Amino acid sequence: GAGVSQTPSNKVTEKGKYVELRCDPISGHTALYWYRQSLGQGPEFLIYFQGTGAADDSGLPNDRFFAVRPEGSVSTLKIQRTERGDSAVYLCASSSRPGTGISYNEQFFGPGTRLTVL
Amino acid sequence: AQKITQTQPGMFVQEKEAVTLDCTYDTSDQSYGLFWYKQPSSGEMIFLIYQGSYDEQNATEGRYSLNFQKARKSANLVISASQLGDSAMYFCAMRSGTASKLTFGTGTRLQVTL
Repeated sequence: GAGVSQTPSNKVTEKGKYVELRCDPISGHTALYWYRQSLGQGPEFLIYFQGTGAADDSGLPNDRFFAVRPEGSVSTLKIQRTERGDSAVYLCASSSRPGTGISYNEQFFGPGTRLTVL
Repeated sequence: AQKITQTQPGMFVQEKEAVTLDCTYDTSDQSYGLFWYKQPSSGEMIFLIYQGSYDEQNATEGRYSLNFQKARKSANLVISASQLGDSAMYFCAMRSGTASKLTFGTGTRLQVTL
């Protein structure tokens, strides 16, 4: 079946602009995660959805970042007033159920959106 | 807070040889899970192997095995019979306590040579 898809694959924008990044999770997966991967680093958690609600948004760096998942499937990460420091690959992952701690619950990752802020 | 440390920024291994990628972790939770992901140049994160904190046996998945030493808080990945296609970034990650998010290390770039 289809994996996690993300659009666009690349996004170039100017400082101060608004951007939206889209994630289509695997069909039926209730849990959805956003991560940000800066150059030379591992992915860093941004936000996690269980269904339509954000269950954990502790990784969002500031109030310029916002994410929605209105119907419990597709999610959009929104960044206002972009800054050069926002340049990174934004990864989306989904899993069939959230899983915590010890539970074996694999997160399936999409190919990412490379955001470049000029 | 959870922390993953990968101290090897880069590793080389000859084709058909085994290689160990190091990972140490820090958490105050008793229940946690450890994951290894592979990230080829295409950018997609590919799940390799999982170890739960209460698992008594080391996890194995084909050519991948996880050397889990709980007292040392280490979860090293062993790749046997390396192949050219194994060249990629490898990330160790952890999920602990009631959290659902993964915490990743900085990764190790593995290069398999002829």
